[in-house]
Amino acid sequence: ETGVTQSPTHLIKTRGQQVTLRCSSQSGHNTVSWYQQALGQGPQFIFQYYREEENGRGNFPPRFSGLQFPNYSSELNVNALELDDSALYLCASSSQNGEGNGYTFGSGTRLTVV
Amino acid sequence: QQPVQSPQAVILREGEDAVINCSSSKALYSVHWYRQKHGEAPIFLMILLKGGEQKGHDKISASFNEKKQQSSLYLTASQLSYSGTYFCGTANYYGGSQGNLIFGKGTKLSVKP
Repeated sequence: ETGVTQSPTHLIKTRGQQVTLRCSSQSGHNTVSWYQQALGQGPQFIFQYYREEENGRGNFPPRFSGLQFPNYSSELNVNALELDDSALYLCASSSQNGEGNGYTFGSGTRLTVV
Repeated sequence: QQPVQSPQAVILREGEDAVINCSSSKALYSVHWYRQKHGEAPIFLMILLKGGEQKGHDKISASFNEKKQQSSLYLTASQLSYSGTYFCGTANYYGGSQGNLIFGKGTKLSVKP
């Protein structure tokens, strides 16, 4: 059973650029959530995808968008990068089959905007 | 609404016990507990769904009060490997999905030899 893998692990971008982060969910999981984690803070919910559709969104502007593919992998896209977007971006997968299932997190992508 | 975790940080000697609390102003659907070591992914510890529930494995256990507004994580006879930041994640509803988790700010636990 493979876990959640994210790519790239580190990324440096210039303010105003666009970035795409990728996530492969754990085998058997059909739901993917994305979180932003600033240094020393808890993960903040960006959005969740289930069956290729957005299934909930946190307090993030529209320039944060995503996709989920038929194999349940996912992408997070951020347009018009701002300095405050610098953070660790975590992807988490889970199963919708019944209650009591925790999330499996990837190791994250460290994004630095300069 | 973000849950409130306390304490913010705690330092223990090996073998000592610790309690981490997670509180919400509203009744919750579920509470998750995760541990994150520096530079690593958060690791799922357990989930509580029912008021009055208690569960655990090994020397780590958790409770969920009857009103489903507070959860506590209990670490017994702590080991060096318990060091890390502990997060509670709370879900306020169940709408055909797990519910979107809102995480607290975390409790940094350091276990010293």
